[in-house]
Amino acid sequence: AQSVTQLDSHVSVSEGTPVLLRCNYSSSYSPSLFWYVQHPNKGLQLLLKYTSAATLVKGINGFEAEFKKSETSFHLTKPSAHMSDAAEYFCVVSDRSSNTGKLIFGQGTTLQVKP
Amino acid sequence: AAGVIQSPRHLIKEKRETATLKCYPIPRHDTVYWYQQGPGQDPQFLISFYEKMQSDKGSIPDRFSAQQFSDYHSELNMSSLELGDSALYFCASLFGQPRAYNEQFFGPGTRLTVL
Repeated sequence: AQSVTQLDSHVSVSEGTPVLLRCNYSSSYSPSLFWYVQHPNKGLQLLLKYTSAATLVKGINGFEAEFKKSETSFHLTKPSAHMSDAAEYFCVVSDRSSNTGKLIFGQGTTLQVKP
Repeated sequence: AAGVIQSPRHLIKEKRETATLKCYPIPRHDTVYWYQQGPGQDPQFLISFYEKMQSDKGSIPDRFSAQQFSDYHSELNMSSLELGDSALYFCASLFGQPRAYNEQFFGPGTRLTVL
């Protein structure tokens, strides 16, 4: 079975400081991992994805994530937080056991950005 | 660029009523996924279709049914609604066969409230 665990349910940073959202995965297969962002009352937007190419993945809006197999981690980072980054972030793994593309979501991390 | 369209955006129903949610994928996308996100919860996979055939099924209640039509739009039919069905229902689409590494494009969701 595959799963993702987001280690923090809530993260608070000051504007202009770095962001770190932590995610560990469990997978019997080479995983396909994603980070999605959900702003209040909005749909889900893909930030970035890892599909066994480069281990350092760059996404939109200055976000990036590093796939570390030895640590089974896929943490999301951004050098400098902006007020508009305040949202819910989901670490997601694609279910490769069925290989039908269904997504398995982590519990989510709420990012608060303080002025 | 065209996005995934879901209708209605908001729906209020009484217990034991029925509801139909519609999803119009991005043009040429032939795979559709449905997810349910309860209040404060992470999205859970319900069901998916590829080329009008069910490709995978998750924790979808027997009271729910879905199908994909010849124009690739999909409908989620929900009967005997219960209070616990109140949630945000997302539809996602992708082009081609459903595979673990393919990016899914999400619609804005339909917020269903059952009173």
